[in-house]
Amino acid sequence: RKEVEQDPGPFNVPEGATVAFNCTYSNSASQSFFWYRQDCRKEPKLLMSVYSSGNEDGRFTAQLNRASQYISLLIRDSKLSDSATYLCVVGLGNYQLIWGAGTKLIIKP
Amino acid sequence: EAQVTQNPRYLITVTGKKLTVTCSQNMNHEYMSWYRQDPGLGLRQIYYSMNVEVTDKGDVPEGYKVSRKEKRNFPLILESPSPNQTSLYFCASSPQGAVGYTFGSGTRLTVV
Repeated sequence: RKEVEQDPGPFNVPEGATVAFNCTYSNSASQSFFWYRQDCRKEPKLLMSVYSSGNEDGRFTAQLNRASQYISLLIRDSKLSDSATYLCVVGLGNYQLIWGAGTKLIIKP
Repeated sequence: EAQVTQNPRYLITVTGKKLTVTCSQNMNHEYMSWYRQDPGLGLRQIYYSMNVEVTDKGDVPEGYKVSRKEKRNFPLILESPSPNQTSLYFCASSPQGAVGYTFGSGTRLTVV
């Protein structure tokens, strides 16, 4: 079983729709949680950190459920520019990050 | 501009021919790391460095070497590349630890 699991997709979604991804992690000692965005053949970029109380950044909302060990990302009013691969990342301490393989999102006009 | 610079961006080489991928950052970051990314797998850490002359193995160090003689540079060395090292490689740096990474643009390596 992978330490961080994501549905690889692709998720094909019409522009303007709401889409949600989940990610599950296996290590209950995980301390920090992130969503990164990666465009095709480019470097990952931090989208947002995920806090226990949930957090929102514009059209993006992240939630953490420690009891069930999953993280979610909700994108509202999706734009064509949201097309990318979304990477779920879990931190086990200051120096160790475990990366999911990513969920591919395609927004269609 | 604050950045992490990797070179080369693309490289095709033959089995056994030593190569070095360079990584340089201009942000005075203490922490630097190398990752490889393969289809269907998350980024996997090869080596990391917490400061000058301090390096340690990540999850997949076999077949790789690194050095950290200066704070800004963290080259990745493949002494005898093999086809299973064909991958997309990323260098990253941060002020401290593995949080708040700035990534380089990546090096796509093909070993034939």
